[in-house]
Amino acid sequence: EDQVTQSPEALRLQEGESSSLNCSYTVSGLRGLFWYRQDPGKGPEFLFTLYSAGEEKEKERLKATLTKKESFLHITAPKPEDSATYLCAVQAGGNYQLIWGAGTKLIIKP
Amino acid sequence: GAGVSQTPSNKVTEKGKYVELRCDPISGHTALYWYRQSLGQGPEFLIYFQGTGAADDSGLPNDRFFAVRPEGSVSTLKIQRTERGDSAVYLCASSLLSGGPYEQYFGPGTRLTVT
Repeated sequence: EDQVTQSPEALRLQEGESSSLNCSYTVSGLRGLFWYRQDPGKGPEFLFTLYSAGEEKEKERLKATLTKKESFLHITAPKPEDSATYLCAVQAGGNYQLIWGAGTKLIIKP
Repeated sequence: GAGVSQTPSNKVTEKGKYVELRCDPISGHTALYWYRQSLGQGPEFLIYFQGTGAADDSGLPNDRFFAVRPEGSVSTLKIQRTERGDSAVYLCASSLLSGGPYEQYFGPGTRLTVT
């Protein structure tokens, strides 16, 4: 069964304290892995798509990487406005739907 | 440009009633998806439209749930005989092309509460 697991469930950091969020997946035939950010009361906001192992993408303080089993979202020198839930999702096989993890709630304290 | 919009933003209904949730995708996006999200969980796939037709409705939990997209743009998710377990945030997303993997852009969601 295709599965996506995110860890940790919650992460509290001080402003400027870099860290990483993990997304592990077990799917047949990965076609793409997506990272989204979700603020309370809003829909998920697209961040990155990764297609193959070894690929990396960056946006401001965020960098996403992909291996054959997991993806990391690295946050460098975070600011309070980076506080949100970060969701990972995969598209695999012949399916069009996304399979989602439960998310990591990130809190950045000033 | 305008993003995905959903109406209403909140809906409170009594158990057993019928509800309709509307999604207006980004103009020109051919693919449209419905998800529902419970507190502390990731979105759960319900149905995917490619143009006017439902290409994959395998996520609809039972026959009380139905969705349409008659002109290939706006979509309506319909829930009959609502149950308290249907309470969740219903999210709509659209993407420029079908198939993929293409990023999906989400609306703000409709929070449904069944009392």
